[in-house]
This record gives sequence, structure tokens and C-alpha cells, in this order.
Amino acid sequence: DQQVKQNSPSLSVQEGRISILNCDYTNSMFDYFLWYKKYPAEGPTFLISISSIKDKNEDGRFTVFLNKSAKHLSLHIVPSQPGDSAVYFCAASATTSGTYKYIFGTGTRLKVLA
Amino acid sequence: DGGITQSPKYLFRKEGQNVTLSCEQNLNHDAMYWYRQDPGQGLRLIYYSQIVNDFQKGDIAEGYSVSREKKESFPLTVTSAQKNPTAFYLCASSMEPSGIQETQYFGPGTRLLVL
Repeated sequence: DQQVKQNSPSLSVQEGRISILNCDYTNSMFDYFLWYKKYPAEGPTFLISISSIKDKNEDGRFTVFLNKSAKHLSLHIVPSQPGDSAVYFCAASATTSGTYKYIFGTGTRLKVLA
Repeated sequence: DGGITQSPKYLFRKEGQNVTLSCEQNLNHDAMYWYRQDPGQGLRLIYYSQIVNDFQKGDIAEGYSVSREKKESFPLTVTSAQKNPTAFYLCASSMEPSGIQETQYFGPGTRLLVL
């Protein structure tokens, strides 16, 4: 049972435009979410996080939105740059569960076209 | 520079052989994790350790073993019982153990291939 889903395996966006990556989750206990960016043959690098007490968090070109009622979060990248081309993973954690585990989505491959 | 190192970058395993993947961190983090990534799939948790001399099974622990004798080291052994070991293995660490919203930081990964 996939508790964290990224239903779009790939996305292509023109340079300068907005990239929107989506993530859905099923476990209502999840209360902390992160986005990671991953280049081929490298480890993921942390991008941005959001706690369930917020509905938006912004860091430069990256904004994460959380809709708890819909169990949905999205990552917006504005403006998109060719260097943003990578695989993006969302991850979720239930921090009140007593164990510190993240559940990762399957990833979305973003290609930013110059 | 502080960070997480994994070695080797590539590792080849023969049938029936045990191999050990190294993970070292100098971030003074308490918690460490091992994930496996397969093509088209997300990261799946193999084992995690929240403190020295303690570790817990993740979602796919069968065929793997770990030890946590030192805070900075968390080696993963892929045993002969793991029938499909070919994958990209990622080690991660975070500052605090359970109950706190902490970011996990990842090493560069080890790709394991079966000969």
C-alpha cells in the first residue's frame, strides 16, 4: 500500500515558467513533509519542508503548499531553470508515532527545457 | 566539511557472497538510516538506528543486517539471503531521534550490482 503517491512520473516545463509537482498521501497521521531533489547517481538533497500546522512555506524560488483536508501537497518552482532538471521526491512522516521514519513517494522527473 | 560519505561508489557481488556497504557521518547526528532505491520506485527503508547500539528494521529488512557500534558509522551488510540485491543504496542521517521534525541528509549512494 503506497501511503505517499506521486502520480506523475515525469513533467516537462519551459525555462522561466512555473513547475508544479504534486504529491498525495493517505495516512492522516502524517504531520511533516519534505521535498528532495535528486540527480542521477547522487544522493537526494533537501529542498524544503512543511509542518501540518502551516499551509504554505516559501524558500526563494520554491514554495510548498499543503492541503490537509485533501491530503495533498505540491511544490511550485518559479521560475524554472534548466538546473532544476532532476527527480523530485516528496516524503512524509508521522512525528507523533514514536518512531522517526519517512515514507517516500516514487518521484517525479522534471525536465526544464531551455 | 561536514557530511555523509558512502563507499564504495560501485560494488559487485557474486552469488552467495555477503558484501558490506560503508556509511560514515561527521555531522554528530544521532539517527542514521539505510534506504534502497530501485528504478521507478521511491526510497524504501531497510534499517534505521536512532542511537548507538540500537537499530530497528524498516520496511524491507529481510536479507540485510546492520550494526551501530559508533555514532558516526552505520554499515549495511547485504547477505546471500537477499535474492535481488541489485539497487542503489542510500544512507542518511538526522540530528535527533524520534518525535522531532528533523530533516534527513543523504550520502552520495552506492550502486550494488550482482555478477
